[in-house]
Amino acid sequence: AQSVTQLDSQVPVFEEAPVELRCNYSSSVSVYLFWYVQYPNQGLQLLLKYLSGSTLVESINGFEAEFNKSQTSFHLRKPSVHISDTAEYFCAVNSNSGGYQKVTFGTGTKLQVIP
Amino acid sequence: KAGVTQTPRYLIKTRGQQVTLSCSPISGHRSVSWYQQTPGQGLQFLFEYFSETQRNKGNFPGRFSGRQFSNSRSEMNVSTLELGDSALYLCASTLEGSGGTEAFFGQGTRLTVV
Repeated sequence: AQSVTQLDSQVPVFEEAPVELRCNYSSSVSVYLFWYVQYPNQGLQLLLKYLSGSTLVESINGFEAEFNKSQTSFHLRKPSVHISDTAEYFCAVNSNSGGYQKVTFGTGTKLQVIP
Repeated sequence: KAGVTQTPRYLIKTRGQQVTLSCSPISGHRSVSWYQQTPGQGLQFLFEYFSETQRNKGNFPGRFSGRQFSNSRSEMNVSTLELGDSALYLCASTLEGSGGTEAFFGQGTRLTVV
C-alpha cells in the first residue's frame, strides 16, 4: 500500500516571502512524484514531477521540489511567493503495482498569500 | 486535443434523490478516476476504472457506484443522497504507460444536496 501525507492543511505567508509545502510518502515500491495545483473553481493541473535523474525539479513559475529518498519526502518550495500563487496544492505518488499504475493523492495544502 | 469534460458543472438535488455525473476522458486515455473534494475532508479517492472494469476503490459506502463504457466515458452514481454528499466531484483521466504519467483533471461537478 502507498500513502501520501500533507501535514499542513493551510499555510499563510506574506507576499514575497519564501514558502515550503511539505509532502511525505510511503510505498513499498519505487515511485514517481508529482505536485498539482488547483486554482479556485478549477480542476487540478500538474505543477511539476519527478520521474528519475536529478532529484531537484522545477516548474515554469518558480516552484521547485526535491526528492529525498531517505526521508521519503518531496517538499515544494518557492523563494518568493506572489498573490497569484494563492491556490491549493496537492502532492501525489504514482507507482507500478500489480502490473498497472496506481496514483495516490494527499489531502491538499491551501496556500494563502497575504498582501 | 480536447481535455477532460465533466457534465453537468453544477447540480442541486434533494436529500434522498439519486444523481448521475458524467466524465469524458481525453481521447486515448483508458483510465478514469473519480474523487470527492470537500473543505473538511480534502481530496478523497472514490474509484478508478480501466477498460470498463473497476480497478481500485476507495473507502466510500455502496451508495457510490460507477461504470465505464467501451469508449472510456465514465459515469458515477450516488443514490439516496445525504447532505454530506455535497462536494466537488472531480474526474481524472490517465494514459496508461510504463512510467509515471500525469493525471488530467476535469473542472468538476459541484453537487449541492439540500
